[in-house]
Amino acid sequence: EDKVVQSPLSLVVHEGDTVTLNCSYEVTNFRSLLWYKQEKKAPTFLFMLTSSGIEKKSGRLSSILDKKELSSILNITATQTGDSAIYLCVNRDDKIIFGKGTRLHILP
Amino acid sequence: NAGVTQTPKFQVLKTGQSMTLQCAQDMNHNSMYWYRQDPGMGLRLIYYSASEGTTDKGEVPNGYNVSRLNKREFSLRLESAAPSQTSVYFCASLRDFRSYEQYFGPGTRLTVT
Repeated sequence: EDKVVQSPLSLVVHEGDTVTLNCSYEVTNFRSLLWYKQEKKAPTFLFMLTSSGIEKKSGRLSSILDKKELSSILNITATQTGDSAIYLCVNRDDKIIFGKGTRLHILP
Repeated sequence: NAGVTQTPKFQVLKTGQSMTLQCAQDMNHNSMYWYRQDPGMGLRLIYYSASEGTTDKGEVPNGYNVSRLNKREFSLRLESAAPSQTSVYFCASLRDFRSYEQYFGPGTRLTVT
């Protein structure tokens, strides 16, 4: 059965800290792995990683895909209170499978 | 562009009542999806429509029906609501079934008492 597992499920850090969120996947036919940020309402797209694009960066956020380990990490450096959200990892092959998310809370 | 819109934003139902959640997108996307999100459970796929005229079951379809009314609209119906269907419901669209980035609506918070 295809699945996506995220860890930790929740994390509380202080503003300015660096955090690493983890996502591991077991899927039949890997095509892509996506990261979304969900604040109060709908998820918004952050990154997409594929076999031909295993590292992405945008400002303080970056993500890497490890095809051997079947995992991905999302790094956020110099965290700010606005980074508080649920971060969702999604596998996209023939199906779309969401992980349960990591709830990140940044203390001022 | 409004993107993906959903109505209503909030709804309270009594057990056994029925209702339809509406979703529309104005991006000319082919594929549309209905998810539910429960605390600690992530998003789970209820039904999806890969293209106009087709619908398929997702991970948790029991108790729901869908209609892909046209390319823009994809509705979700609860025929006889149960407390276990209390959740936040998200509609999403995808340019086509081979695309990657989904666009989500703002969600409908449904409470069944």
